[in-house]
Parts: sequence; C-alpha cells; structure tokens
Amino acid sequence: KAGVTQTPRYLIKTRGQQVTLSCSPISGHRSVSWYQQTPGQGLQFLFEYFSETQRNKGNFPGRFSGRQFSNSRSEMNVSTLELGDSALYLCASSSRQGGTGELFFGEGSRLTVL
Amino acid sequence: AQSVAQPEDQVNVAEGNPLTVKCTYSVSGNPYLFWYVQYPNRGLQFLLKYITGDNLVKGSYGFEAEFNKSQTSFHLKKPSALVSDSALYFCAVRVFTGGGNKLTFGTGTQLKVEL
Repeated sequence: KAGVTQTPRYLIKTRGQQVTLSCSPISGHRSVSWYQQTPGQGLQFLFEYFSETQRNKGNFPGRFSGRQFSNSRSEMNVSTLELGDSALYLCASSSRQGGTGELFFGEGSRLTVL
Repeated sequence: AQSVAQPEDQVNVAEGNPLTVKCTYSVSGNPYLFWYVQYPNRGLQFLLKYITGDNLVKGSYGFEAEFNKSQTSFHLKKPSALVSDSALYFCAVRVFTGGGNKLTFGTGTQLKVEL
C-alpha cells in the first residue's frame, strides 16, 4: 500500500510569490491534515480536511489556505510568501475523522523563501 | 487547551543501555497519546499510541511507553538502545472531541545513541 505522497519535495521561492503544495493520502483515507515544522516553532497544525470540507483550522493567517478534492487529494496554498514561511510542510492522512487511529505522514515539502 | 511537554531537548545514551524519553501532557478530558520518530529530512513515523486499556503500550522497533494518569506522563522507553535509534522523537496528544484529528505535539527530543 503506497504511503502519503507529497509534491514537490523541495522548492525555493522569493518573497511575495505564492506556492501550492500537493498531498495524496493513503488509498482509502479521507482525512488529510497539514502541519508546518520550523526549528523555532516546532510542529504546528495548519488545517484538516475530511470529505472535501475543512474541519479544523490552526492559528495561521489567511495567506494559508487549502482544499481537498473528491478523490481525497489535498492542496495547500500560501500567498504573498514571507521569509518566515520557510519550513517543512507535512501532510498526514487518516482513515477516519475523530477516530482513534494514528496519522500517517508524508516525507514533507521543504519550502525555502528567499 | 491541550499541551504536551518534552522537558529534555536531547538525551544521550550508550548503545545497549536502556533509554527513556520523557513526555508529560495537559488536557481536559481523556487523552489519546502518540509517539512519532523523525529521521533527518524525513516525515514523521508512527511508533505507538495509547487510547485506553493497559498502561504499558508496545510499539514498533522494540519501543514501549508507559501511561501514568496520576502523573500525566507518557514516557517512551526501550530496554536496549541501538545506534540506529538516533533520531528526533515527538510526543503528541489528541483529545477526542468528535470533531477531528488535530494533534498537539511536544517540542521534540533529540536522541543520540553512541557506541
């Protein structure tokens, strides 16, 4: 069974640009969550989608947005990039929302903002 | 609000010795507790979880964790450490609200196992 796939793995952008990251969950998983990992702030929850609906949202500005498609694939977008957005963005999938199951994480997309 | 504390930024242990990585939590409600491991430039790998039942939980790669409700702790342990266990370990908590899978993570503990 294929794991969670995130693309691209690495990307470099400049301030003011926008970026879109993609996540394909494990087959059959309908819940997709996004996390930002930085050395200073650690792992912070961005948002969670289930059945194409955003179910939870973390404390991030409106420049961070996401969506989920009918096949459960998800994208997140960051507009007007700032230097502080440089981070590893991790996607995780789960078979259920609100269940007892663990999250399965992808390898991450490492974004560098210059 | 729920929170997780990992009091040690780094833990050093000799190969073959037992290891413990500490985690304490604060929640209002019954916690679901998880341990994840992260190798350099990789995502998080699930190790084990506590939902309910036995306080001693066994997981992947010989790791186990002990849930202690009175001390609100969930320490990760392994009887005999390997050099390959060297990695970044995260404790996480989720309170079941019926509304989602959001995890709150600790700051992580770097485990270094030396020969």
